[in-house]
Amino acid sequence: DIVMTQSPDSLAVSLGERATINCKSSQSLLSSSTNKNYLAWFQQKPGQPPNLLIYWASTRESGVPDRFSGSGSGTDFTLTISSLQAEDVAIYYCQQYYGGPITFGQGTRLVIK
Amino acid sequence: EVQLVESGGGLVQPGGSLRLSCTASEFTSNTYWLNWVRLAPGKGLEWVANINEDGSVENYVESVKGRFSISRDNGKNSLFLQMNSLRAEDTAVYYCAGGSGWIFHYWGQGALVTVSS
Repeated sequence: DIVMTQSPDSLAVSLGERATINCKSSQSLLSSSTNKNYLAWFQQKPGQPPNLLIYWASTRESGVPDRFSGSGSGTDFTLTISSLQAEDVAIYYCQQYYGGPITFGQGTRLVIK
Repeated sequence: EVQLVESGGGLVQPGGSLRLSCTASEFTSNTYWLNWVRLAPGKGLEWVANINEDGSVENYVESVKGRFSISRDNGKNSLFLQMNSLRAEDTAVYYCAGGSGWIFHYWGQGALVTVSS
């Protein structure tokens, strides 16, 4: 199984500041045939289902604010929120869909400092 | 936009069975893989199972193999999860999710399954 490890587990950022969450996979998520990284990012708020933010490591889902961006390739990936807003308080998960079983990172809790 | 609605959750005793359903508002049945994902209390997201567009391919996380069965009825825009031999550790909110390939564009609101005596 591909193990996904996020860092940090918890993050406190001031409003308007940048937030960065890292995700490392135990094997490469880059497909040589498609040249795509099979990595997604989700945001989950209490009592709500997860919301897809980013897929293919850097493609923003329709309707997601452009302050959210994804980067990285191979085994190391980053989700960046360029200017934190109050509504961004949530748990963030990375997920690999390169191969079965599909696996998620343990989650990163983002709070306001 | 596809809307997914789960039903069938509830309280069940250890060793019991439960069947979850997920109905879609619209169904591109020859396009979407469909999945079940769960969130246990105090834990993170865990993918449980998925099924391909025509129902011919099923995949499961190791911990539910032999106990859970995923199926779909494209004519009724529905996805199912039959859960047998339930354990306390299966207690969770179960979400159906789907989209293009294995990308989870769409999610239901979730169904709570509680396994307790």
